[in-house]
Amino acid sequence: DGGITQSPKYLFRKEGQNVTLSCEQNLNHDAMYWYRQDPGQGLRLIYYSQIVNDFQKGDIAEGYSVSREKKESFPLTVTSAQKNPTAFYLCASSIGYRDSGYTFGSGTRLTVV
Amino acid sequence: EDKVVQSPLSLVVHEGDTVTLNCSYEVTNFRSLLWYKQEKKAPTFLFMLTSSGIEKKSGRLSSILDKKELSSILNITATQTGDSAIYLCAVTGANSKLTFGKGITLSVRP
Repeated sequence: DGGITQSPKYLFRKEGQNVTLSCEQNLNHDAMYWYRQDPGQGLRLIYYSQIVNDFQKGDIAEGYSVSREKKESFPLTVTSAQKNPTAFYLCASSIGYRDSGYTFGSGTRLTVV
Repeated sequence: EDKVVQSPLSLVVHEGDTVTLNCSYEVTNFRSLLWYKQEKKAPTFLFMLTSSGIEKKSGRLSSILDKKELSSILNITATQTGDSAIYLCAVTGANSKLTFGKGITLSVRP
């Protein structure tokens, strides 16, 4: 079955460390997205990629970095510059950037310890 | 900047009740409004409403788009405990970016 796989489901990070969250899709979708979800805040866009080897900053990109070397993969790195990284991170994809039909992964819960 | 406001932010009902969830928006060159249900992890798609499709229904769930009032409602009739979830509203506009509201937490008590 096609879908989006995020790993790990739970991640613990020490302060000052960089961590990378994985997002893989086998839907042959061109566009991929990373969102952050905090309680009472809804989903906020971190980065998005319309096509391989291209990505754009979203609304809250500071302290994060991404790459899009393969169509199937869009990893997110949470750097030590992100001051409040504890949150639930969701990856999504769509056929094209102008397509509203998003498919979401199951998320990664990151906790700073 | 595109904006989506959902209300109420949370509500508690009993099984069998009917609920109405609200979503209002400000967006440049509106294209679509989407409703998602999020139970534990991944949001799942419910409805997409556009200028050419302002009313959708699926079982006990229905949604209407009011382009004049820049708003939408999601109705759930004969609620069940399985309807307990966060309901997310999102809109797309000229920049094709999906902008989400903060979500409505619905709790259905037996």
